[in-house]
Amino acid sequence: TQLLEQSPQFLSIQEGENLTVYCNSSSVFSSLQWYRQEPGEGPVLLVTVVTGGEVKKLKRLTFQFGDARKDSSLHITAAQPGDTGLYLCAGPRNQFYFGTGTSLTVIP
Amino acid sequence: GAVVSQHPSRVICKSGTSVKIECRSLDFQATTMFWYRQFPKQSLMLMATSNEGSKATYEQGVEKDKFLINHASLTLSTLTVTSAHPEDSSFYICSARRLAGGYNEQFFGPGTRLTVL
Repeated sequence: TQLLEQSPQFLSIQEGENLTVYCNSSSVFSSLQWYRQEPGEGPVLLVTVVTGGEVKKLKRLTFQFGDARKDSSLHITAAQPGDTGLYLCAGPRNQFYFGTGTSLTVIP
Repeated sequence: GAVVSQHPSRVICKSGTSVKIECRSLDFQATTMFWYRQFPKQSLMLMATSNEGSKATYEQGVEKDKFLINHASLTLSTLTVTSAHPEDSSFYICSARRLAGGYNEQFFGPGTRLTVL
């Protein structure tokens, strides 16, 4: 059983479109992290959200932590081909668990 | 951000041999490191938690005699794949945990691509 479920699993969009990726759990997390991973490389930390309801922005990326700290979302505005990659949410319990992942392809 | 290195970045070996992968936190001390395995276009699956100075904690279904983990210092953990077979071919990634601002952050190594012939 996956502790963190992401949706959609795969997403292919045209350059300039907006998109939202969701990360859901039935468990409460003290914090959630979002990572982006390119093929053959390790995940790179994008942001950490800690407070319920928190919103953080990173250029065209907007991250939100749910009020109950069980879910999070990543919204990308005006996607660009450079945004292509595997997006992973992750959160600490006794160990550190990753979501199921969202593979994003932005077509020029 | 914090830097974690892995060595080697890729390795090809014959079936039956053992392969050691090193994970180092370069600019911070990590009492806890994690080892993950990843298949193409899939998320990372936690294999084990490596604790400095004590035995590793393995996830269910991971053979501890197959995947030996040693966390000899606060900056180094090693994963040894013993008697490797083709089904062990995968992308192995380590991470190191750092406590920052009251919460834990994970920083990942660049991964090691293992191919067993």
